[in-house]
Amino acid sequence: GESVGLHLPTLSVQEGDNSIINCAYSNSASDYFIWYKQESGKGPQFIIDIRSNMDKRQGQRVTVLLNKTVKHLSLQIAATQPGDSAVYFCAENGAGSYQLTFGKGTKLSVIP
Amino acid sequence: DSGVTQTPKHLITATGQRVTLRCSPRSGDLSVYWYQQSLDQGLQFLIHYYNGEERAKGNILERFSAQQFPDLHSELNLSSLELGDSALYFCASSVWGTRDNEQFFGPGTRLTVL
Repeated sequence: GESVGLHLPTLSVQEGDNSIINCAYSNSASDYFIWYKQESGKGPQFIIDIRSNMDKRQGQRVTVLLNKTVKHLSLQIAATQPGDSAVYFCAENGAGSYQLTFGKGTKLSVIP
Repeated sequence: DSGVTQTPKHLITATGQRVTLRCSPRSGDLSVYWYQQSLDQGLQFLIHYYNGEERAKGNILERFSAQQFPDLHSELNLSSLELGDSALYFCASSVWGTRDNEQFFGPGTRLTVL
């Protein structure tokens, strides 16, 4: 399948454990954040989003935490499954901008 | 399957050539976005069209151009190709053109410039 080939940070977790993927952003004007999952050979897929007026948002097995003070975003995946193996990107969107700025990505590998 | 289609899946061409990448958005989506994913730059926004009109430009080179047609499909034209243009090119679509509108990505076109 296709792969990006970047020298990405890699996180290896045991199946069933929780995963935490971190992302630092630089634009203090960003007020909307999204996590994407990209499996090999596919385009990015929306996972969850959060606006800057929130600190935490939960989805199905996923939680996004936003710390605006230190410009940090994290994605927590509960009970990680082999199907969660992918590259995860955070993206930010500044006020008044239609442009999404993507982070470099983290490769999550789930050990069965 | 996101509902966004892109053709071709793979494209191999030579430096100096011109290629056209095609994107069909999800049914009903008015916005189309183009992104480039390369080895050294990650995923970068190129351009956004909404209902046939250019809405925003990102890091798109002057050698690249795009348009969205009345039937809402979009084409990305890359000319005077260089080795560094080798990348995955993704198209995404959303219902509207607002910032918090979920974008659905296509499977991408892998461009190789030799």
